[in-house]
Amino acid sequence: DVKVTQSSRYLVKRTGEKVFLECVQDMDHENMFWYRQDPGLGLRLIYFSYDVKMKEKGDIPEGYSVSREKKERFSLILESASTNQTSMYLCASSFLVGEAFFGQGTRLTVV
Amino acid sequence: KQEVTQIPAALSVPEGENLVLNCSFTDSAIYNLQWFRQDPGKGLTSLLLIQSSQREQTSGRLNASLDKSSGRSTLYIAASQPGDSATYLCAVPDNYGQNFVFGPGTRLSVLP
Repeated sequence: DVKVTQSSRYLVKRTGEKVFLECVQDMDHENMFWYRQDPGLGLRLIYFSYDVKMKEKGDIPEGYSVSREKKERFSLILESASTNQTSMYLCASSFLVGEAFFGQGTRLTVV
Repeated sequence: KQEVTQIPAALSVPEGENLVLNCSFTDSAIYNLQWFRQDPGKGLTSLLLIQSSQREQTSGRLNASLDKSSGRSTLYIAASQPGDSATYLCAVPDNYGQNFVFGPGTRLSVLP
């Protein structure tokens, strides 16, 4: 079974903190994605990566950065967390135009 | 630009009913279409992937069909159970084949 694992299910951080969300996949997928999901807005792509050290901005990259130093790991970084970044964060991986697999999600609350 | 819609937005049915969820996409040049299930507060679980050359895929009580020319897919759930209650989303690769375009989902409630 494909596994995509996110480092935390729930996180509570303070405004201004630097936040790291980690995602690891075990299927040697080229593509990895970070989405955020908010009620009424659906899934919105923050960043994706199609190879090690490669990244592309998605629809809402402002306030976020990413890192992909190894093929299996894709990190989302909130440089200075703000309350409007309170959300559910979802990581996914896939082969090119292949089946997408998601992690269990991280519910981030910024206070 | 590819757009995906789903009808209905919400559905409530008694246990045991057969039901159909609909997904429409604007650009028929897709590689595949994927159906997901999402439980509240959880990630998305892949249910079925239909390749562009296929007409349907089946997994247990689930059957998904694909009609590329009309830009439609349906997810058929047979003999629904309360445990089927969740939000169901469909997704297709975008025009560059690097990202996915998701529908807004259908929230299903199966009443015991």
